[in-house]
Amino acid sequence: GAVVSQHPSWVICKSGTSVKIECRSLDFQATTMFWYRQFPKQSLMLMATSNEGSKATYEQGVEKDKFLINHASLTLSTLTVTSAHPEDSSFYICSASRTGGGEKLFFGSGTQLSVL
Amino acid sequence: DAKTTQPPSMDCAEGRAANLPCNHSTISGNEYVYWYRQIHSQGPQYIIHGLKNNETNEMASLIITEDRKSSTLILPHATLRDTAVYYCIVRRNTGGFKTIFGAGTRLFVKA
Repeated sequence: GAVVSQHPSWVICKSGTSVKIECRSLDFQATTMFWYRQFPKQSLMLMATSNEGSKATYEQGVEKDKFLINHASLTLSTLTVTSAHPEDSSFYICSASRTGGGEKLFFGSGTQLSVL
Repeated sequence: DAKTTQPPSMDCAEGRAANLPCNHSTISGNEYVYWYRQIHSQGPQYIIHGLKNNETNEMASLIITEDRKSSTLILPHATLRDTAVYYCIVRRNTGGFKTIFGAGTRLFVKA
C-alpha cells in the first residue's frame, strides 16, 4: 500500500526557534497534502491544505506566518513552525492522497513537538 | 463536508464482534463514508470506505443504510490490538477535498 513518511518522529526545541517537519509520499505522487495538529485526548484538527506548486490554503484561525507550508514537489511537503512557543507543543500529522485517485487518504506517523 | 455523530466510547470483549455506529444524516449524494482508526500516538489508519453498498475487506465490514443516513463498522473478531479511536468521516471521493475529523469513538477491547 501507499506510504507516507513523516520526519522527525519527535523533536524538542527551545522557545523562539523554528522547527521543520517533512512529509513525503514514498511510492506515489501527491498533488495535495494536508496538515493536522492534535492535542492530547482530542481529535485531529485540520490546519492547512498544501497544494503542489501553489500557496497553501489555511483553515480559519491558523496563522500562515506562524506555520509555513511548502509543497515544492509532488512527493514532498514541509511544515515549518516559526518562533515556536510552548503552546505550539502538539502532535502534527500530515496526509496525502494519490494524484488522480483520491479514494484513500494516507497518513504519516506524526511528529510530536515539544517546545521548552 | 457533512458532519458525523458517533458515541464517544464503547467496550467490546476480545473475540466478539465490535459494531461501531455512525450517523451522517446530512450526507450528500456524492459523498462517501470512510472509516479510519488511530492507535495512540500514531497517524490514522485507513480501514474501509463505501458509497451505498455494503463493503468488506480483510479488516472490517461496512454496512450503510439504504437512505445512507447512518452506517456501522463491524470488526468481526475484535482483538486487544483493535483498541483505538475510530473515526467515521464523510467526504467526496476526490483527493483535493478536505477530510474533517469528528470526535470519533474510543473502542476498548477487553480480555
